[in-house]
Amino acid sequence: EDQVTQSPEALRLQEGESSSLNCSYTVSGLRGLFWYRQDPGKGPEFLFTLYSAGEEKEKERLKATLTKKESFLHITAPKPEDSATYLCAVSQGAQKLVFGQGTRLTINP
Amino acid sequence: EPEVTQTPSHQVTQMGQEVILRCVPISNHLYFYWYRQILGQKVEFLVSFYNNEISEKSEIFDDQFSVERPDGSNFTLKIRSTKLEDSAMYFCASSSQGARGETQYFGPGTRLLVL
Repeated sequence: EDQVTQSPEALRLQEGESSSLNCSYTVSGLRGLFWYRQDPGKGPEFLFTLYSAGEEKEKERLKATLTKKESFLHITAPKPEDSATYLCAVSQGAQKLVFGQGTRLTINP
Repeated sequence: EPEVTQTPSHQVTQMGQEVILRCVPISNHLYFYWYRQILGQKVEFLVSFYNNEISEKSEIFDDQFSVERPDGSNFTLKIRSTKLEDSAMYFCASSSQGARGETQYFGPGTRLLVL
C-alpha cells in the first residue's frame, strides 16, 4: 500500500522566516510526486510536479526538491499570504493520486 | 486560465436521499476523477473515468456511487442513498491524457452534508 507521510502537521513562522516542509513516501515505481496548496474550504491548487530524484522546481518563494525517499518544499522569506495547507501526493502505476495528511502553514505578520 | 468548475458549492440532504454532484472539467481534458475529503482527513481517491468508462475505482466507490458523462462538458457523481458518513468535500479533477504521473487539476469542491 502506498504511504505518504508529511511533517510537521502544523508549522507557524514569522514573516520572512524560511523553513522546509517534508513529504516522505514509500512507493515502488514512482511516476510523479505532486505538491498542491489548499486554502480552507477550497480545492487543491497545483504547485509542482517532480518525476525523478535530484529534480528541483521553483515558483516565487517556493522550491520543491525530490530524493528517492522524500520531497521537500522549501519556502523562502514567506509572507502571510503563503498561509495554507500544503499537500503532497504521489502517483504510482495507476492514475489515482495518494495524498498525505498535509502541513498546515501559518505565517504571522 | 482554464479551470475545473463544480456545482453546487454546498448541498444539504437527508439520509437516504439521492444527490448528484456536477463538474465541468477543463475543456480539452480526457480523464476525469472524483476525490473526497472528510473534514480533517486526507484527500481520498474515489474513481477515474475515461472514454465513458470507469478506468479505476477505490474500495470507497461501492454500488451506491455512480459516475456519468451525460454530455460533452459535464461529469457527474451520483450517490444513490446517502449515509451520514458520506458528508465530506467532493472534488472533481481532470487531466489531459491520463498518463501516469500526469498533473491532475482540481475544482473548488462541493461540500455535502447529510443529516
